Amino acid sequence: GENVEQHPSTLSVQEGDSAVIKCTYSDSASNYFPWYKQELGKGPQLIIDIRSNVGEKKDQRIAVTLNKTAKHFSLHITETQPEDSAVYFCAASTSRGGSYIPTFGRGTSLIVHP
Amino acid sequence: EPEVTQTPSHQVTQMGQEVILRCVPISNHLYFYWYRQILGQKVEFLVSFYNNEISEKSEIFDDQFSVERPDGSNFTLKIRSTKLEDSAMYFCASSHTSGGYNEQFFGPGTRLTVL
Repeated sequence: GENVEQHPSTLSVQEGDSAVIKCTYSDSASNYFPWYKQELGKGPQLIIDIRSNVGEKKDQRIAVTLNKTAKHFSLHITETQPEDSAVYFCAASTSRGGSYIPTFGRGTSLIVHP
Repeated sequence: EPEVTQTPSHQVTQMGQEVILRCVPISNHLYFYWYRQILGQKVEFLVSFYNNEISEKSEIFDDQFSVERPDGSNFTLKIRSTKLEDSAMYFCASSHTSGGYNEQFFGPGTRLTVL
């Protein structure tokens, strides 16, 4: 089955700095890579995703890159703000039973210091 | 904005007891899911449910677990005889479409503590 590794487990940055979270996956059949943000007391919320036919995607201050050959994908947050502080999960997924079931990474706790 | 809700937020039970975790998915969604997260570990898929039947389940989802959509709005996860290792955060999720890249909307979770 799929295995997703995520690093770092904790990331502490100053407000305005950039933050980068990296993930690797094992199953070459995975073709959809969502990223989730989980705030305290809430469930994971999709913030951005990338499909296997795309190498990079950007949405305002966040961007994701995907290297299918190396089975790496990354989340980049620029100009971090204190409200970006949360746990971020990467995931890799393939279609199972008609929908895409994500295999999650362990999560990165991002702390943005004002 | 529509959201997935879960009750209770925290459930404490004795080992061997049955528990039912409840979820109300977003009303026009067709696919429903349960995940769990043991403290400090990854979020793990348990089961997906579509058209009133299980469409996919993981190896974690053994005979102790069952799911049901009893009334067209609730989606429940039952654990028949809880074990200490069932202690975890359980997340319900739902998605709208039956194919393609479906965004799954997660509820806030139920923290289950088995004593």
